[in-house]
Amino acid sequence: QVQVVESGGGVVQPGRSLRLSCAASGFTFSKCAMHWVRQAPGKELEWVAVIWYDGSNEYYVDSVKGRFTISRDNSRNTLYLQMNSLTVDDTAMYYCASQNSGSIQFDYWGQGTLVTVSS
Amino acid sequence: QSVLTQPRSVSGSPGQSVTISCTGTRSDIGTYNYVSWYQQIPGKVPRLIIHDVNKRPSGVPDRFSGSKSLNTASLTISGLQAEDEADYYCCSYAGRYSVLFGGGTKLTVL
Repeated sequence: QVQVVESGGGVVQPGRSLRLSCAASGFTFSKCAMHWVRQAPGKELEWVAVIWYDGSNEYYVDSVKGRFTISRDNSRNTLYLQMNSLTVDDTAMYYCASQNSGSIQFDYWGQGTLVTVSS
Repeated sequence: QSVLTQPRSVSGSPGQSVTISCTGTRSDIGTYNYVSWYQQIPGKVPRLIIHDVNKRPSGVPDRFSGSKSLNTASLTISGLQAEDEADYYCCSYAGRYSVLFGGGTKLTVL
């Protein structure tokens, strides 16, 4: 049974940092690219970042480049998102999603962790 | 503003068919067959229902189908059921490792 569980969200002041985690099980984590996708309250989905199955490549949406860092620990089946210099525009539900094939798609999603950036 | 354009809302009666369009550009939908669709029931997690333009993951009813023509992708839901009421999002790869979502379409089953 596939399980994807995010954690680490919360309320943070603008300019501060937060680290999200995503624990996966039920599939071969080390063979899957992993993504972060976010959704601001009442808004559409927005792709944030991807990391290759082996961590060899990572890519970001322009709005978070230089501020966010995606990483993974395949020994722990865990994905991370380090978020620095947060702004109010980063307020969103952050979903971890797996890409379980060579195609670019989001197969399994976690329940999300809410990040609220507010003074 | 979303780069992939979807109608804000569509509606249909039970048993009818509805089609949701997703318009991109030559640089995304027009070039790549990495088009996927997600169903999101309010308050719930998105669910993959179509990938690679027209492929259904196991467990997704064959009432859901996808297609693409030039720069526009489409999701058709036939035999509408009350449980289909949700938000639907298209998604496309856009090259140079960029992934775009549509603005979402709210489907109302009358």
